[in-house]
Order: sequence, then C-alpha cells, then structure tokens
Amino acid sequence: GAGVSQSPRYKVAKRGQDVALRCDPISGHVSLFWYQQALGQGPEFLTYFQNEAQLDKSGLPSDRFFAERPEGSVSTLKIQRTQQEDSAVYLCASSLEGLTSPQHFGDGTRLSIL
Amino acid sequence: QKEVEQNSGPLSVPEGAIASLNCTYSDRGSQSFFWYRQYSGKSPELIMSIYSNGDKEDGRFTAQLNKASQYVSLLIRDSQPSDSATYLCAVRRYGNNRLAFGKGNQVVVIP
Repeated sequence: GAGVSQSPRYKVAKRGQDVALRCDPISGHVSLFWYQQALGQGPEFLTYFQNEAQLDKSGLPSDRFFAERPEGSVSTLKIQRTQQEDSAVYLCASSLEGLTSPQHFGDGTRLSIL
Repeated sequence: QKEVEQNSGPLSVPEGAIASLNCTYSDRGSQSFFWYRQYSGKSPELIMSIYSNGDKEDGRFTAQLNKASQYVSLLIRDSQPSDSATYLCAVRRYGNNRLAFGKGNQVVVIP
C-alpha cells in the first residue's frame, strides 16, 4: 500500500499482559516515529528511528516500553506488563528523512487495557 | 506551560464561512510548523506546512506564521461539511526530529 500501515487496528489486553504493535512505513522512508495519543489530546512523541538506529527514545514513559526496527523498515512497539494508563491510540509516522520532510501517519492501534 | 497551546473550544461555523484556528508555541527555537486534520478514528493528515513568517495559501487553506509573537494560525475559507474534524497544530524545533502537538481544535461546519 501507499501509506503507513499499522496492525492490529484494535487490541484489548488484560492488565499485566505484554503487547506488540506493528508499523509498516511508507516504502523508502528513512525515518520512523511512534506517538501516543490519549483521548481528546494531541499525539505525544515516544521514540524515533533513522533506518535501524533508535536515535531518540526520550518520550518512552517507562522501561516497560520498548521499540525496535531491526532491518530499518518494519518497526514493533512492545509494552510489557501493561497498565490501565497505557490505554491510548498508538500512532506510527514515517518520513523520507527526519529534519525537513513531513511526517505521514498511519491510522494507529487503539489499545485498551482491562 | 505546554510547548504548543490550542486553547479554543469547539468551533461551529456555517457552511461557506471562514473558520479561524490559532496556535501558540513556547520554544523560540521552533523552526517548522504544521497543521494536521484528524477525522474521528483516523490518522492525522498533513494539510499545511509553513517555515517562514507570513502567509502561505493552498486552496481553501491559509496558514499564517508570526515567529516574533510565537503564533501560527489556520484559516479555512468557504468551509464545507467535509471540513468537520479536529485540527492539530504541530511544531518542530531546529535540529530535532520530533513533533510537539497541541491538543487540537474541533471544527463543526453546519450545513
């Protein structure tokens, strides 16, 4: 497809379970970003990759959050021992390169922790 | 103080009117400014980017930037019901890749 693809679209998990969210960026896009969007709020930055290198992870809220992009294309955001406050929409964005290119977003994964 | 502020509540405008949205930012090192439109349950969609002071027009949309006042706005002319959405202001600092977003402004265009 032409856009950023995220899966699953919806994920329900019990508190304490681990979850993995996938992002498939636009082909050829070097930069990949993860954001967290709470209901009624704007997206909040989590982490940024340039190719396979994670250059900024300062937005990850705790060490339960982990992201990887091993081959510089598909990325996975993993949340361990989920808590109710992790419930949010997780958005992935990609851009041709980081500093000047616009970011294009996927439709997100809506995560609900029971 | 939040990095990006969008303080207006929901904005209702009649079809054909002009919708005006405002955004302020706190970091004078901010370099790039964006407006995204987000329909409910959908991804943010880039509609405007602006990098220098002044106005930038694209179709029915005009973005205005005033770096001295740390202010960026979006005007939607001839508003259509399809413009009903949440509009997010986003800012990127010089040398930094992340976007800082405001909380968004909901626009409702009344036919």
